[in-house]
Formats: sequence, structure tokens, C-alpha cells
Amino acid sequence: GAVVSQHPSWVICKSGTSVKIECRSLDFQATTMFWYRQFPKQSLMLMATSNEGSKATYEQGVEKDKFLINHASLTLSTLTVTSAHPEDSSFYICSARMDYNSPLHFGNGTRLTVT
Amino acid sequence: GQQLNQSPQSMFIQEGEDVSMNCTSSSIFNTWLWYKQDPGEGPVLLIALYKAGELTSNGRLTAQFGITRKDSFLNISASIPSDVGIYFCAGHRGSARQLTFGSGTQLTVLP
Repeated sequence: GAVVSQHPSWVICKSGTSVKIECRSLDFQATTMFWYRQFPKQSLMLMATSNEGSKATYEQGVEKDKFLINHASLTLSTLTVTSAHPEDSSFYICSARMDYNSPLHFGNGTRLTVT
Repeated sequence: GQQLNQSPQSMFIQEGEDVSMNCTSSSIFNTWLWYKQDPGEGPVLLIALYKAGELTSNGRLTAQFGITRKDSFLNISASIPSDVGIYFCAGHRGSARQLTFGSGTQLTVLP
């Protein structure tokens, strides 16, 4: 149980375009999902907390207008990188948990390359 | 968010050897989790700890939640090549919903 699916696993896009990444909890409902960014050989850095039915909570330094998060249902959260630039190239990972007392389970990540 | 102090940063060991890594913090944590991440993939949960002093095993892996609630360790016994990867500790502080991550330990197992 507790499977989190992330799609796509990798994407290459041109500078200036937007990219949408989906995160789904396959066998449980998640009122809260989390989006992380990871640079090579570094730890995971929390970008934002995605709340079902309400606005996402962004970490300091993360531009909410650039990284749009939508948590439309209890099993789906999306992250849209708008007007992507090469410096947005990174590994983006989502996570979800069944309830407050359950551990986080992660998706397989999305490798974004902006050319 | 704030990172936990995880050590060592990297380890090179011979196949069959035991491994130990740990995380410490100046803050009290309510939950400690250990994850393993393979290249190009998301972290996979290995062990979850919920009570101070708790010692939990998962096959060749053993982890403990420190009594002070400010530290945790992960041991891997009789290492094998597929143990290669990055191991992260993580934890919840207070009522925080988000997870704080350690900086990771890169494990290399030599044949």
C-alpha cells in the first residue's frame, strides 16, 4: 500500500514554456501532499505543501507564481513550472501520506531539463 | 527547511561489512524516518520510528529513536552490492506537517 505515482518521469522543454507534473496517491487519499526539489548530490528541499481544496503553502524563497500548485482532489496534486528557465532544471519529487501519523511516501521524481 | 546533521557524508565499505550512520539535531523530534534513494528515483521508506528509545528492524536494517529524541541511527548488517545508494534520515518536529531531511549518506559497497 501507500503508492505514490509521479508523471512524467522526465521532461525536456524549451525555455519560456510551461511544464506540468502530476502526483497521484494510488491507493489512499491524501489531504496533504508535498513538493520537493533536489539538486545533484544534495538533499531534498521542501518547496511547498499542497492542501486539498485550498491554496498551497510555499516555503520561503519559492515563487508561488512560478511554481503553481493545484490540489484538486484527494488523490491528485499538480505542480506547474511556468515560463521555465534553464536554472529551473532539477529533480522534482512529490510525496504524500495517509494521515498525520503515517510516514511520507515519495513518488519516483521528475527530471526536468530546460534547454 | 532546516536540515538535520547526518554523518558520515559518504562511506566506502567492503561487501559483507556492517554499516552505521546517524543523525543528530539540537531540536526534539517526534518521528524519525530513514529513507534510501537510488539514482534518478524518489526516496523509499526503510524504517519509521515513533517513540523515544524505539529499536526497529527491517531485515538487515536496524534503526533506533534516541532517548533524548534528538538523534537516530541506522545500521546495515552484512552489506551487499544492492545496498549502494543515498540514505537520508528525516523527522517531524512538534506539530509540523512537513518533514525535515538530513543531508544524506552516500554508501558505496565494494565487491
